[in-house]
Amino acid sequence: QQQVKQSPQSLIVQKGGISIINCAYENTAFDYFPWYQQFPGKGPALLIAIRPDVSEKKEGRFTISFNKSAKQFSLHIMDSQPGDSATYFCAASKSNTGKLIFGQGTTLQVKP
Amino acid sequence: NAGVMQNPRHLVRRRGQEARLRCSPMKGHSHVYWYRQLPEEGLKFMVYLQKENIIDESGMPKERFSAEFPKEGPSILRIQQVVRGDSAAYFCAAGGRNTGELFFGEGSRLTVL
Repeated sequence: QQQVKQSPQSLIVQKGGISIINCAYENTAFDYFPWYQQFPGKGPALLIAIRPDVSEKKEGRFTISFNKSAKQFSLHIMDSQPGDSATYFCAASKSNTGKLIFGQGTTLQVKP
Repeated sequence: NAGVMQNPRHLVRRRGQEARLRCSPMKGHSHVYWYRQLPEEGLKFMVYLQKENIIDESGMPKERFSAEFPKEGPSILRIQQVVRGDSAAYFCAAGGRNTGELFFGEGSRLTVL
């Protein structure tokens, strides 16, 4: 019940295209859903996060869509750029803790 | 992830040796989390500490691993008698309370020969 499942494992997108990464969770007690971006040799950096009281959150080219009934959420990267090439992790937690359950990660490659 | 300082960035140990990883959260943060990232995998929660107190160690292996966060100085993750399976990146993070937002350090990459 603690798992967060992420797909796809890897993704190749052309520059200017839309990158979509999906996650599903099981524990209905989770109420905080962040996405992290990680470059090789670096630590994960918080990209965007959502709470279940909204169905969508947008920050620049990054959008989270949240479906509470399906227990799924996704990250959309619009107008993908080569600089977006990184590994993306979804995560879930109860919002009053920092005990995040991470997905397995998606390696995104944006081709010029 | 600016502000959470980890050292060493890279550490090489032979099997049976001890590894000590240090973490200093940004000023004003007295709580830290340790996560482990095995090659090609996501991060896994290990332990949550506040100054002089372990709050949640449910992700820590039962043997050889310990963590502390003394009143003065950095938090330390200690791995005794390392084995090859301990080779991983170990990340420290701060924040989390109330908001859930965690800010990670750059990590310490342990290689066990």
